[in-house]
Amino acid sequence: DAMVIQNPRYQVTQFGKPVTLSCSQTLNHNVMYWYQQKSSQAPKLLFHYYDKDFNNEADTPDNFQSRRPNTSFCFLDIRSPGLGDAAMYLCATSDGTGIPYEQYFGPGTRLTVT
Amino acid sequence: GQNIDQPTEMTATEGAIVQINCTYQTSGFNGLFWYQQHAGEAPTFLSYNVLDGLEEKGRFSSFLSRSKGYSYLLLKELQMKDSASYLCAVRAGAGNMLTFGGGTRLMVKP
Repeated sequence: DAMVIQNPRYQVTQFGKPVTLSCSQTLNHNVMYWYQQKSSQAPKLLFHYYDKDFNNEADTPDNFQSRRPNTSFCFLDIRSPGLGDAAMYLCATSDGTGIPYEQYFGPGTRLTVT
Repeated sequence: GQNIDQPTEMTATEGAIVQINCTYQTSGFNGLFWYQQHAGEAPTFLSYNVLDGLEEKGRFSSFLSRSKGYSYLLLKELQMKDSASYLCAVRAGAGNMLTFGGGTRLMVKP
């Protein structure tokens, strides 16, 4: 089945230790997104790629970076995680951004910072 | 910016009907989505409205009034498995990005 895959599902890192979360998709969608979702809050868009074009949200901290080496894979790098970065990180894809393209979400990676 | 409001929590009884409201203020509106999210899992797509009116999909229906900045999700014949958070998300602006509301946590009781 075509899907969005995130690895690992659970990640524990230490305060200040760089961590990378990965996302892959078999849908061949040209847009990939990274969201941060803290407990009982709405998902918050961090950035997205339209093909190779990177689009950063204005309020995304510099601590967060992303790479998309090819259509299928996208990575979220957190350079120096703080305790406030503990959250669920959701990857999503869509086949374009206009009507009626919906976003398909992966299962998420829950990040714990100790 | 965009402002999306929905109730934080609702409780309903198995077999009943529940309506979850969402109001929004935005510019460049280009569609409204409803997603279901079970605890600890990813959101899953439920419905999409871009024109005024009611979209029906089995037990779930979604309504949109663009002039009022208002939508609702209607769940019929509630089942225990419908206990989840329901997220209203608006697509707007030049980039057509989604902005999510805080979600409504629905608890279905026997």
